[in-house]
Order: sequence, then C-alpha cells, then structure tokens
Amino acid sequence: DTEVTQTPKHLVMGMTNKKSLKCEQHMGHRAMYWYKQKAKKPPELMFVYSYEKLSINESVPSRFSPECPNSSLLNLHLHALQPEDSALYLCASSQVPGNEDTQYFGPGTRLTVL
Amino acid sequence: GENVEQHPSTLSVQEGDSAVIKCTYSDSASNYFPWYKQELGKRPQLIIDIRSNVGEKKDQRIAVTLNKTAKHFSLHITETQPEDSAVYFCAASINSSASKIIFGSGTRLSIRP
Repeated sequence: DTEVTQTPKHLVMGMTNKKSLKCEQHMGHRAMYWYKQKAKKPPELMFVYSYEKLSINESVPSRFSPECPNSSLLNLHLHALQPEDSALYLCASSQVPGNEDTQYFGPGTRLTVL
Repeated sequence: GENVEQHPSTLSVQEGDSAVIKCTYSDSASNYFPWYKQELGKRPQLIIDIRSNVGEKKDQRIAVTLNKTAKHFSLHITETQPEDSAVYFCAASINSSASKIIFGSGTRLSIRP
C-alpha cells in the first residue's frame, strides 16, 4: 500500500458540532502531518507528529485537536469551528522525521462549516 | 522566519513549448527543495525534488536547477502537454529535525492547444 488515505472526502458541520477527520498510511512512515489549504493558496502546516508524538504545533487554535493513536493513524478532532475554518484539510506522511524525506499527501477532506 | 517566493503566479504557454517557474528562499540552511503539482480538486503530488548537494536533476521532461549561493531554484518543463496544466508549488525545508517544509505561493500553469 503506497498511499495516504483520508476520510471523509467531504464534511459539512455546524459551529456547535464535534467531528473527526481520519488519516491512514501503511507505508511504515514515522512522521505524519496535518495541513490546511484554502482556495488558491498553498498548504499551510498545522501539526507534525514524529514517532507518534506531537513535535510541532503551528499555534493552531484549540478547537483543532490532533491525535496519533498509532504509527499508521492520525486524527484531527474538530469542535466549535468557525465558518473561516472551511478549507481542504490535507494529511501527509514521510518516512523518517529529520531526514528531509518526501512528504506524501492524502486526497484531503473538504470541510464546510456553516 | 523562512520565506519562499515563487514567480510567476500564472503562466500560459503553447503546447510543445517550455515552461519555467522560479523560486527563491531566505534560509541558507535549507537543504531540501521539492516541487508539487496539484490538479484541480486533487492532492499535491511530488513531481521532482533536489537536495543541496546537487545543482541539477532531470526526470524525462522535467528538470530542476538549484543555485545555493543565490538561494534560488527553478522548475523546467519541456515539450509541454495539456496534462501539464495544474498549479505547481515549490517548497524548501526549514527544520531538518522535523522535515518541515514551507511552500511557495504557487504557479497556475495553463497549456494552450
């Protein structure tokens, strides 16, 4: 399996809802990332996990809560989001943290907050 | 902090002609420079990358050049085809301890038939 997968593909939620985005890879990669991408903009880093531990939080609001249950899975828990949080959320993984390895992206979850 | 600038923001070329996209970076410690292609509604996909120990890398119709002294790198696509139409992002590593990369603002490439 040489892909990063993400579910769901699309998500619509209200500002009071709680939802989760899921990301999975079976390439044995030990670094996983969450990015946010607005229309016509580059991906913007949110979180980095290295060996299942949070290593970078780019000052992301606490309404976004990442979780790495094991080396293959990465979740992003969403609570009390704002309409401006609507975006494409991309997960990525790379082989070994610290070696400037290629990051492989999942297809993304397109989130709409009403 | 690290800044990556990318030009042009849009580029239209005749099918069969060459396209060149240029990026500059600010952190002299950057060592890894990937290029991603993102088609509409799709994921960013790595098309080529280069590390600081080489000055040029080629893969079929795609080549990347790196000038570490000037802190700039470029993507060259030759014999362009309609399927090359997409947004292209350059990126540069800024934190080798966590494989963190910063993206340029993107170039929308259109191939005219």
